[in-house]
Amino acid sequence: AQKITQTQPGMFVQEKEAVTLDCTYDTSDQSYGLFWYKQPSSGEMIFLIYQGSYDEQNATEGRYSLNFQKARKSANLVISASQLGDSAMYFCAMSISNFGNEKLTFGTGTRLTIIP
Amino acid sequence: EAGVVQSPRYKIIEKKQPVAFWCNPISGHNTLYWYRQNLGQGPELLIRYENEEAVDDSQLPKDRFSAERLKGVDSTLKIQPAELGDSAVYLCASSLAREETQYFGPGTRLLVL
Repeated sequence: AQKITQTQPGMFVQEKEAVTLDCTYDTSDQSYGLFWYKQPSSGEMIFLIYQGSYDEQNATEGRYSLNFQKARKSANLVISASQLGDSAMYFCAMSISNFGNEKLTFGTGTRLTIIP
Repeated sequence: EAGVVQSPRYKIIEKKQPVAFWCNPISGHNTLYWYRQNLGQGPELLIRYENEEAVDDSQLPKDRFSAERLKGVDSTLKIQPAELGDSAVYLCASSLAREETQYFGPGTRLLVL
């Protein structure tokens, strides 16, 4: 079975600073995908970034980057130059099979608050 | 391009009453998912459709939950009768195919009194 662990229930970060949200995962599958989603107070889950287990380079999408350390089974999200609009819940998720999306297993999330 | 649409956004009902949620996926997306998100938790999959076929409903409590996706587009999730523990956010998501990124709707917040 797959499991995602997010150990930071909440984080407070000063505006314009970089922030790292932690995510560790557990799976016996060799082929899997890792995702980060943002959930603002409006409720919808917004896709941010994806990393395949066979991807050798860390994924980047604008101010978001995924620090993928396969041996440590970690997939931390890094947000550079944080903005007030980044305040939200952030969920790490995993699917088995590389880019397979049959079922996403989510962590419990981290609530990020950006302080002006 | 319009995103995933869900209605209603909020619903308050008394226990033992029925309730239904509606989802319209992104145009052209063949795969549709229903998730339930309990307070303080991440979403958990209830059912996945490939076109009009339910291909994974192993997590759907079939004694009280039902779902349908007629014509492989819109989908409805129903609970009958609702219980207090069903209070949650019900999220619908869609993807082009089962191996593509899932895009979520705003969810329906259900409160059962």
